[in-house]
Amino acid sequence: AQSVTQPDIHITVSEGASLELRCNYSYGATPYLFWYVQSPGQGLQLLLKYFSGDTLVQGIKGFEAEFKRSQSSFNLRKPSVHWSDAAEYFCAVGARTGRRALTFGSGTRLQVQP
Amino acid sequence: DTGVTQSPTHLIKTRGQQVTLRCSPISGHKSVSWYQQVLGQGPQFIFQYYEKEERGRGNFPDRFSARQFPNYSSELNVNALLLGDSALYLCASSWQGGDTGELFFGEGSRLTVL
Repeated sequence: AQSVTQPDIHITVSEGASLELRCNYSYGATPYLFWYVQSPGQGLQLLLKYFSGDTLVQGIKGFEAEFKRSQSSFNLRKPSVHWSDAAEYFCAVGARTGRRALTFGSGTRLQVQP
Repeated sequence: DTGVTQSPTHLIKTRGQQVTLRCSPISGHKSVSWYQQVLGQGPQFIFQYYEKEERGRGNFPDRFSARQFPNYSSELNVNALLLGDSALYLCASSWQGGDTGELFFGEGSRLTVL
């Protein structure tokens, strides 16, 4: 069974500082990988996705993520955080075959200090 | 373009009652998925429907059921509500049911069971 671990429940960074959110997954092969963001009271918005090819993927709002097969990781990064980035971030994996469903991590809440 | 729309946005029920949640996918999208998000956790997969057929079911009891209509809208039904069913129920649509493509999420229906 696939699983996703986001080790950091809560992260606080200063505005303008760099950000890295960690994501580790467990899956028998290479899954599809996603990062979603959720603002309070809102649904989920896709930031970026990895299907194949270049292991460094660019997303919206200046975010990027790197797929590292050897470490089973898909960490999210942003070079300079804005106050509007404060939200909950979810990493998710999807199987390439079989049941078409995403497995989400428990999320990382990002707080941005002025 | 109109995004995924869900109704109602908020509702309160008591234990033992039944609830029906509704979802309209993005125009042209034929696949609808339902997820349950308990406070402080990531979304958990409940169902996926594609072309009115169930394509996947998560680890939820038979009290949970769903269906998809010819216009691709969907309903999620939960019978004999328990306190633990209190959650944000998210609907997501995608245009292609056969692959883990990008999911577009609605803002959810927040269910409170008293």
